[in-house]
Amino acid sequence: KQEVTQIPAALSVPEGENLVLNCSFTDSAIYNLQWFRQDPGKGLTSLLLIQSSQREQTSGRLNASLDKSSGRSTLYIAASQPGDSATYLCAVEGVWDNAGNMLTFGGGTRLMVKP
Amino acid sequence: DTAVSQTPKYLVTQMGNDKSIKCEQNLGHDTMYWYKQDSKKFLKIMFSYNNKELIINETVPNRFSPKSPDKAHLNLHINSLELGDSAVYFCASSQLQTPNSPLHFGNGTRLTVT
Repeated sequence: KQEVTQIPAALSVPEGENLVLNCSFTDSAIYNLQWFRQDPGKGLTSLLLIQSSQREQTSGRLNASLDKSSGRSTLYIAASQPGDSATYLCAVEGVWDNAGNMLTFGGGTRLMVKP
Repeated sequence: DTAVSQTPKYLVTQMGNDKSIKCEQNLGHDTMYWYKQDSKKFLKIMFSYNNKELIINETVPNRFSPKSPDKAHLNLHINSLELGDSAVYFCASSQLQTPNSPLHFGNGTRLTVT
């Protein structure tokens, strides 16, 4: 059974810092790994999706890497801003016998960027 | 032009009642999901429907019954509500036939059972 862990659970940084969020998963048989952002009272917004054959994806100040063999992913946020404050969730889509993509989520990292 | 919309946003009800949460997506996706986020913020899949057919049912009590009248809708009906059902329920959709299609989530329904 796939298990996804995110470290740290919470992070507070001053504005402008570069930061790294970590995600680990136990079963390397995955289709892809996704990073989501969740704002209080809101749904989840997909930030980046890394396919199992890829090593990293970039979008603006965000860079996500994937090391499938070691079961790890990192989300790098450059020059953090107060607007980046949110909960960041990592999720993996596994390879299952039956059709139906199924995401397993980590517990999230609550990020606060202080002005 | 909301992509995935679910109603209501908040739902407060008493134990033993029956309630429904509705979800609609206008993305043309063929697969829809219900996820439950508990008090510890863990998201877990409950159901997945592909073209109106159930394809994933993850250890959810029989009191939960999803209904998909068409590809664009997946409603969640809950019978005999219990305190432990209190959570935020998220609907999502994706295009299953497109590999690595990202999920699009609704804004969630916060269910409180008193």
